[in-house]
Amino acid sequence: GAGVSQSPRYKVAKRGQDVALRCDPISGHVSLFWYQQALGQGPEFLTYFQNEAQLDKSGLPSDRFFAERPEGSVSTLKIQRTQQEDSAVYLCASSRSGLPNQPQHFGDGTRLSIL
Amino acid sequence: KNEVEQSPQNLTAQEGEFITINCSYSVGISALHWLQQHPGGGIVSLFMLSSGKKKHGRLIATINIQEKHSSLHITASHPRDSAVYICAAPSRGGGGADGLTFGKGTHLIIQP
Repeated sequence: GAGVSQSPRYKVAKRGQDVALRCDPISGHVSLFWYQQALGQGPEFLTYFQNEAQLDKSGLPSDRFFAERPEGSVSTLKIQRTQQEDSAVYLCASSRSGLPNQPQHFGDGTRLSIL
Repeated sequence: KNEVEQSPQNLTAQEGEFITINCSYSVGISALHWLQQHPGGGIVSLFMLSSGKKKHGRLIATINIQEKHSSLHITASHPRDSAVYICAAPSRGGGGADGLTFGKGTHLIIQP
C-alpha cells in the first residue's frame, strides 16, 4: 500500500506486560512521528525521527516508553511494564523530508487497551 | 510550546447548513494543518495553509497569520461530513519540521 501502515490495529494487554507497536511509513519518507491520543482528546506529540536519528523524545511520558527506527524506515514504539493510563490510540505519521511546512501522512493508529 | 485552541468542541447542525470551526494558536507559525478524523481513528490531512484561503470541494480554510487564527468552513453540509475536525500547529512555531501541537478537536454531527 501507499500509505502509512500501523500494526497491530488493536492490542489488549494486562497491566505490567510489555507491548511493541509497529509503524511502516510511506516509502522514502524521511521524518516519522509518534503521537498518543487519549479518548476524547487531540493527539499529543511523543517523539520524532529524521531517518534513523531520534531528534526529539521530549513527549515520551516516562522511561517506560522507548522508540527506535534503526534503519531509517520502520519504527517501533515499545512500552514496558504497561499501566492503565497507557491506554490510548497511538498514531504514527510520516513526512517526505525533514524540511518545514511538510504535510504529515497519518496511519490508522493502534488502539491499546491495558486491563 | 504552541498552545492550540479550537471552538466549538461539539457542533450539531442540519444538512445543508454552513459550518464554521475556529482555531487559534499562541506561537507564530508558517503553516497550519486542518485534519479530519473519523470514528475508528484514521486521520486525513485536509489542508496545510500558510496564508489567505484554500478551497477543496465544499471545504474552505482561511488563516490570518498576524492574528494567529484560522477557520474551517463547510458549505452545504452533508451527513457524511460528520467527523472530528482537528487543527494542528507546529509545536515550536515556524514550519513544524519537528512535530505538531493539536487542538482537542471539534466533534461535528450533521443530521439529515
